[in-house]
Amino acid sequence: DTGVSQNPRHKITKRGQNVTFRCDPISEHNRLYWYRQTLGQGPEFLTYFQNEAQLEKSRLLSDRFSAERPKGSFSTLEIQRTEQGDSAMYLCASSDGMVTGKDSNQPQHFGDGTRLSIL
Amino acid sequence: SQQGEEDPQALSIQEGENATMNCSYKTSINNLQWYRQNSGRGLVHLILIRSNEREKHSGRLRVTLDTSKKSSSLLITASRAADTASYFCATDPLYGNNRLAFGKGNQVVVIP
Repeated sequence: DTGVSQNPRHKITKRGQNVTFRCDPISEHNRLYWYRQTLGQGPEFLTYFQNEAQLEKSRLLSDRFSAERPKGSFSTLEIQRTEQGDSAMYLCASSDGMVTGKDSNQPQHFGDGTRLSIL
Repeated sequence: SQQGEEDPQALSIQEGENATMNCSYKTSINNLQWYRQNSGRGLVHLILIRSNEREKHSGRLRVTLDTSKKSSSLLITASRAADTASYFCATDPLYGNNRLAFGKGNQVVVIP
């Protein structure tokens, strides 16, 4: 179990630029989640994948945000035309989704996040 | 939207003392989970308690769940300096693809 890996750890960019983050989940996990966390707050759900299918998106995910998980393995989160308010920690988590005969109550395993700072 | 609300928000204790945090929520859940986060790092899963469970232990951690009051508590016994972190409760809603709703967190400082 190598854990959830996120890259880069830090990203500093100018307002208006596009940024892309990558998440590599735990290899056998079919569920992948993106969350956003601002200072002093708990994480907020952004979007969820089961395998390659994006099954749920939060209203927080404006049309400037897009996420993909092309082969059901790693995922990318892209933010276009970044704004000051996008500054946050972006966290990825994965879990082992329900398989027949397996308990659906599974914990999520988080990466260390990508901290985005918009200048 | 944030669902869990932890109480108290900040806690400072001496090493060896116990630390208790409470969490309330609003909707029906599959389970409730507690996570720890050290500064600048991701969240580490501590314990998961299912909606049909009332109490669960893991090492020095004890979690209770009262679904009638929609509340949970996390007790850390015999605290250590390494327990200094933020602690979050998160609810897994009954019909929600296991997307977690987190509270604002408790900042716990254990003084050696």
